[in-house]
Amino acid sequence: DTAVSQTPKYLVTQMGNDKSIKCEQNLGHDTMYWYKQDSKKFLKIMFSYNNKELIINETVPNRFSPKSPDKAHLNLHINSLELGDSAVYFCASSQSMIGVGYTFGSGTRLTVV
Amino acid sequence: DQQVKQNSPSLSVQEGRISILNCDYTNSMFDYFLWYKKYPAEGPTFLISISSIKDKNEDGRFTVFLNKSAKHLSLHIVPSQPGDSAVYFCAALEGAQKLVFGQGTRLTINP
Repeated sequence: DTAVSQTPKYLVTQMGNDKSIKCEQNLGHDTMYWYKQDSKKFLKIMFSYNNKELIINETVPNRFSPKSPDKAHLNLHINSLELGDSAVYFCASSQSMIGVGYTFGSGTRLTVV
Repeated sequence: DQQVKQNSPSLSVQEGRISILNCDYTNSMFDYFLWYKKYPAEGPTFLISISSIKDKNEDGRFTVFLNKSAKHLSLHIVPSQPGDSAVYFCAALEGAQKLVFGQGTRLTINP
């Protein structure tokens, strides 16, 4: 049983397209996140949701829109994809108390051509 | 500007010896630090953490040391095993939930 699962694992698409990445957690956690690992390998937070409510919204282009239909799901929709959006996107979840409770998915490698 | 930095992109250690991974941070408001381990094609997994009220935390073969005055922490793995070969990320907690990561150090354990 995968605790945090994200699909697809790989995504290759053309510039200008719109795409979505899905994330689901079965841990009963209250908070979910999207992180982006850029070409320099830094993992940077993009968004966090707590019980479907947006908590953290970093300086991310508004082409990126997270959607949380329930506390077990946090999807990431990206409009008008650009070359610079190519990266690995990680979904994660945690209980309200940070520390050992952060669990990551295995990542989605997005390549924009 | 990166607030958490791991200046060694890679480290190679012989099996059985000690591995020491280093991490520096710039924000003195950080008060909780974590190390994550990542295998290829997998997400990072939690390894060990330390609060700023401590200077050392140990869990089996893994020990994290924190030097607040130097804004430096390190992860010691002893003895190193082949299964320890992975990318190690240092992270600091900003606020209640946001983790600020370093860029990772690739550790290779040689038999």
